[in-house]
Amino acid sequence: DQQVKQNSPSLSVQEGRISILNCDYTNSMFDYFLWYKKYPAEGPTFLISISSIKDKNEDGRFTVFLNKSAKHLSLHIVPSQPGDSAVYFCAASSYSGGGADGLTFGKGTHLIIQP
Amino acid sequence: DGGITQSPKYLFRKEGQNVTLSCEQNLNHDAMYWYRQDPGQGLRLIYYSQIVNDFQKGDIAEGYSVSREKKESFPLTVTSAQKNPTAFYLCASKPTGAFVSGANVLTFGAGSRLTVL
Repeated sequence: DQQVKQNSPSLSVQEGRISILNCDYTNSMFDYFLWYKKYPAEGPTFLISISSIKDKNEDGRFTVFLNKSAKHLSLHIVPSQPGDSAVYFCAASSYSGGGADGLTFGKGTHLIIQP
Repeated sequence: DGGITQSPKYLFRKEGQNVTLSCEQNLNHDAMYWYRQDPGQGLRLIYYSQIVNDFQKGDIAEGYSVSREKKESFPLTVTSAQKNPTAFYLCASKPTGAFVSGANVLTFGAGSRLTVL
């Protein structure tokens, strides 16, 4: 049973426009959410995160929105740039207290930025 | 620079052979993790360790083994019992503890690609 779902395997966006990547989760115990970016044959790199006590977190071109009642979060990238082309993973945890359990990942969305 | 080093980058194995993937970190992180990535499958947790000489099974531990003899090192052995070992393997680490900076974020290595011939 998949606890973190990214229902769009791929997304194509024109350079300069907004990219919106979506993620849904089913486990009500999740209290911390992260987005990772991954290039082929490399490890994922941390992008942005949000605690369940917030509904928005912004870092430069990247904003993550959390809707707890809908168990949904989204990553907005604006404006989109060619270097943003990568696979984006949504991840969740239930250890905002700093425990050691691993993150639960979605299957990823391949974002393609077209010139 | 602090980080996580995985080796080898690429590894080929014949069926029936055990192979060990190395993971070393100099971030002074307590917890370490092994994930497996398959195309279209995301990242799935194999094993994790919170402290030296202790480790826990993740979601797909069958056919794998680990050890944690040193804080810096968390090698993964892919045994012949693993039915479909061809995959991209990722090691990660993080600090632990409430109110510890970065305790919610995993740092990943560059990965090791294992191919079974």
